[in-house]
Amino acid sequence: RKEVEQDPGPFNVPEGATVAFNCTYSNSASQSFFWYRQDCRKEPKLLMSVYSSGNEDGRFTAQLNRASQYISLLIRDSKLSDSATYLCVVNIRGYSTLTFGKGTMLLVSP
Amino acid sequence: SQTIHQWPATLVQPVGSPLSLECTVEGTSNPNLYWYRQAAGRGLQLLFYSVGIGQISSEVPQNLSASRPQDRQFILSSKKLLLSDSGFYLCACTEGNSPLHFGNGTRLTVT
Repeated sequence: RKEVEQDPGPFNVPEGATVAFNCTYSNSASQSFFWYRQDCRKEPKLLMSVYSSGNEDGRFTAQLNRASQYISLLIRDSKLSDSATYLCVVNIRGYSTLTFGKGTMLLVSP
Repeated sequence: SQTIHQWPATLVQPVGSPLSLECTVEGTSNPNLYWYRQAAGRGLQLLFYSVGIGQISSEVPQNLSASRPQDRQFILSSKKLLLSDSGFYLCACTEGNSPLHFGNGTRLTVT
């Protein structure tokens, strides 16, 4: 079983739509969580950390459910510039580095 | 804030040739440094990480090696490249509990 699993997509949505990504993690020693964004042929960049109480940054809302071991990212009012791959990332206690999901591709069309 | 310099941005090398990719970091001291590879359409694969000068841990058996001759310098090398070494190579760093920060990457094509 993969440590971090994501729906690969692609998710095709029109501008202005609301889209949600889910991510599940298998290791109960996971202690911190992040969403990264990767544009085509570019490096991943931190989008936001995910806090236990949930957190919001503009049009982006991240939620964590420790009991069910999943993380979500909600994007409201999608923009063309939101088109990218969104990576779910987990910091597992005792691991040397972060564990990345394979990413979910989002395509926002006019 | 941390700044990571990676070069070159793109590289085309024949099979069997050597490789040297360099990564330098500014704006931090004693960072943890990482080399990742992302093959076309695939996820990120951790290759090496280092918690200090001269300390290298290998995550995946490869024909690649890494060295950290200075605190903020991390080098990825190969004596003989394989076709399967093609990919997007990313240097990354963290300091303390900060999230992982990536360099711009080197896109390597082995022909």
